[in-house]
Amino acid sequence: AAGVIQSPRHLIKEKRETATLKCYPIPRHDTVYWYQQGPGQDPQFLISFYEKMQSDKGSIPDRFSAQQFSDYHSELNMSSLELGDSALYFCASADGGIGVGDNEQFFGPGTRLTVL
Amino acid sequence: AQSVTQLDSQVPVFEEAPVELRCNYSSSVSVYLFWYVQYPNQGLQLLLKYLSGSTLVKGINGFEAEFKKSETSFHLTKPSAHMSDAAEYFCAVRGGKLIFGQGTELSVKP
Repeated sequence: AAGVIQSPRHLIKEKRETATLKCYPIPRHDTVYWYQQGPGQDPQFLISFYEKMQSDKGSIPDRFSAQQFSDYHSELNMSSLELGDSALYFCASADGGIGVGDNEQFFGPGTRLTVL
Repeated sequence: AQSVTQLDSQVPVFEEAPVELRCNYSSSVSVYLFWYVQYPNQGLQLLLKYLSGSTLVKGINGFEAEFKKSETSFHLTKPSAHMSDAAEYFCAVRGGKLIFGQGTELSVKP
């Protein structure tokens, strides 16, 4: 079965550079969530989209932006990168509207971002 | 507001010993609870979930969890640990987005 695809899997950037992470949800899933997991930490919710519209926002820095496109894939854009942005970034997709309890989130393998 | 507390950051057990990873939650709305496992340098894999119905939930790899509303707990258990169970385990509550606990590192010794 098709799973959530994230690209790239690994990314190395220098401070003040920009990065774009991509997430391709499971086919027919219309909801995408982004999470950030710092070293030794639990995943923290960043932002989510439902039907191409932002549906919820968590602890996402102003330097970050994201969007969901017409084919439901999503991109997380990160600018003015800082050392503290080094983390594993997960995307999860789900089928159905936000807040519906039964729409399980399926996680991608993550993108490991290292900022030097 | 919803929150999750995992009471132990590390749980060491011997192989074939029983496992219990503790999780308490706080929620003012309907509760949807999850346990995820994360192996080193890998993504999050769903172990089991409680949405409604039977409070004893069985998951993959022989794990199960019991939802106890009176105790606001959702502890994860397994009768006999295997070496391959060594990983980080996250309890999570969901109201749209997932809110994770701090994680419990399960180590299994021979």
